[in-house]
Amino acid sequence: DAGVTQSPTHLIKTRGQQVTLRCSPKSGHDTVSWYQQALGQGPQFIFQYYEEEERQRGNFPDRFSGHQFPNYSSELNVNALLLGDSALYLCASSLFTEAFFGQGTRLTVV
Amino acid sequence: QQQVKQSPQSLIVQKGGISIINCAYENTAFDYFPWYQQFPGKGPALLIAIRPDVSEKKEGRFTISFNKSAKQFSLHIMDSQPGDSATYFCAAALGGGATNKLIFGTGTLLAVQP
Repeated sequence: DAGVTQSPTHLIKTRGQQVTLRCSPKSGHDTVSWYQQALGQGPQFIFQYYEEEERQRGNFPDRFSGHQFPNYSSELNVNALLLGDSALYLCASSLFTEAFFGQGTRLTVV
Repeated sequence: QQQVKQSPQSLIVQKGGISIINCAYENTAFDYFPWYQQFPGKGPALLIAIRPDVSEKKEGRFTISFNKSAKQFSLHIMDSQPGDSATYFCAAALGGGATNKLIFGTGTLLAVQP
């Protein structure tokens, strides 16, 4: 059983560009959450999707948006990239209580 | 009130020793407290979790101690091994599980020396 998979693993973008990150949840998991982890920090909650709707949102600007597809996979979109958006972006899937994280996408904004 | 404070920031333990990491929270509505282990270049992996109706939970060499009145919880790693060297995060959530958002501590970098 494949766990949570994220793509791409690494990405370099220029300030002002837009980026899309992808996540496939663990088999059978219907809830997907996205987190941003800056270097040396704990993950910060961005938002969560359930039944293709954004269910919860953290303290992130509207430049961060997402989508969940009928197969429960999800995308995170970030517009107008800033240097401060450089971080490890983590996707977590869950069904009941436990959250399982993917390996993350390392985004570098130059 | 949504913060989880974690200490120490870094920890060095000899092989076979006990590693202890502490966390404190303010929001008494939190009802799910997991610990995650993260290796460089990897995502966090769930180690062990506890709910506030129990004071201690043990899984192998890992034990969570929970003090509801003090709003503190800690991770104890018994017989620490070099393979335990990683960053450890405590977290807290509302609603009984991680289907709600997790509030993470700032992490503890553990180094177990051979």
